[in-house]
Amino acid sequence: DIQMTQSPSSLSASVGDRVTITCRASQSISSYLNWYQQKPGKAPKLLIYAASSLQSGVPSRFSGSGSGTDFTLTISSLQPEDFATYYCQQSYSTLLFTFGPGTKVDIK
Amino acid sequence: QVQLVQSGAEVKKPGSSVKVSCKASGGTFSSYAISWVRQAPGQGLEWMGGIIPIFGTANYAQKFQGRVTITADESTSTAYMELSSLRSEDTAVYYCARVWGYSYGLSMMSAFDIWGQGTMVTVSS
Repeated sequence: DIQMTQSPSSLSASVGDRVTITCRASQSISSYLNWYQQKPGKAPKLLIYAASSLQSGVPSRFSGSGSGTDFTLTISSLQPEDFATYYCQQSYSTLLFTFGPGTKVDIK
Repeated sequence: QVQLVQSGAEVKKPGSSVKVSCKASGGTFSSYAISWVRQAPGQGLEWMGGIIPIFGTANYAQKFQGRVTITADESTSTAYMELSSLRSEDTAVYYCARVWGYSYGLSMMSAFDIWGQGTMVTVSS
C-alpha cells in the first residue's frame, strides 16, 4: 500500500502570509496527487488535482507542485477563509486511494 | 450539477451493522465511481472503498475487507455502504464522494470532486 505523510501536522500563520505544506508518498506516484481543504463540520473540498491543476472555482492563490514522491501545496497570501485542514491524497493505485494525515492551518 | 445526499445520523449498538445511503441527483450516476470515506472525531480522512455502479464491482481498503459492503442501485441512483460488527472505534462521520476520472497527458487520473454532506454514525452501548 502507498503511504502518505504530510508536514507540518499543524501551523500557525497570519493573514497575508505565504504558507507551504509538504506531502510525501512512500513510492513514486508520478502526478497522481490531489489536495483537499476541509473546514470544521464540512465535507472536504477539492482544491488541486494532478498535483498542480487548479480545480474550477478555486482561488489562484492556491497552487500545487511536485511529482514522484514529493509535493507541495502553497497558499501565496493567506486569507481568513483559508484557515482549515488540508489533506493530500494519492490516486496512483487504480481505485485504491490513500489520504495524508492532514495539516491544520490556524490563526497566529 | 450533481449533488450527493446522504441518509441521516445513526446510533448503533456494538456488534450490529449500519447501512448508509448516498443518492445522486442532477446528473448521470452510473458513469462515475463512488467512494466512501470516514472521519473519526478529531481525526483525518480514511478511504474505505468504492464502487463503479455501471459494473457493480466494489473494491475495499484492506483494513475494512470482510466488514464493509458497498453496493449501488442504478435504478434509484443510490450507493450504499454497510459496515458490520460495529465497535466504538467506528464512531465517525461517513462521507460518500464522486470519483471524477479525467485524462492528464496519456494517463487517466481521478479525484473526489463532489461530496455528500456526511452521515454521523455513533456506536455506543
